[in-house]
Amino acid sequence: DIQMTQSPSSLSASAGDRVTITCRASQGISNDVAWYQQKPGKAPKSLIYAASSLHIGVPSKFSGSGSGTDFILSISSLQPEDFATYYCQQYHTYPYTFGPGTKVDI
Amino acid sequence: EVQLLESGGGLVQPGGSLRLSCAASGFIFSGRAMSWVRQAPGKGLEWVSSISTSGDETYYADSVRGRFTISRDNSKNTLYLQMNSLRADDAAVYYCAKLTDDWGQGTLVTVSS
Repeated sequence: DIQMTQSPSSLSASAGDRVTITCRASQGISNDVAWYQQKPGKAPKSLIYAASSLHIGVPSKFSGSGSGTDFILSISSLQPEDFATYYCQQYHTYPYTFGPGTKVDI
Repeated sequence: EVQLLESGGGLVQPGGSLRLSCAASGFIFSGRAMSWVRQAPGKGLEWVSSISTSGDETYYADSVRGRFTISRDNSKNTLYLQMNSLRADDAAVYYCAKLTDDWGQGTLVTVSS
């Protein structure tokens, strides 16, 4: 199975900051990575697919990059509504796997 | 607008069974593979199962293989998850998802005597 790791597991930031979250796959997965945002008590929301493609309606402050084994989610100019937990997920091979999540808080 | 509406969750005793349903609308259901993802209280997301567009191909996490069965009825735009031999560690919110795109609101499964 492909293992997905994320770093950091949590981070503290302030409004206006730019943050970067890293996701690493245990083997090459091309660009078959998605990123999700989840707020407490809510369903996940899809942000990015194919490593760098933004879903319609997702603000351009979110960006993704990477290919192979290393992937990055960047969030610029953090706003209060961006404080949440972020997950990466590989859909290159079954079983699909999620990273453990990165909690972004103040 | 895409909508995925799960139902069927609830309290069940260990060893019991439940069938979850997910009613889909707003997209061509028969054209998309579908998945179930769960989240235990205070934990991260765990992929559970996926099914191909026709239902011919199914995939399961090792933790549920042999106990859970995913299926779909494209005539009813509905996805199912039959869960048997439930254990305490199956307790979670179960999400229906068109992975990388849309998610339902989730349905809570509690396993307790």
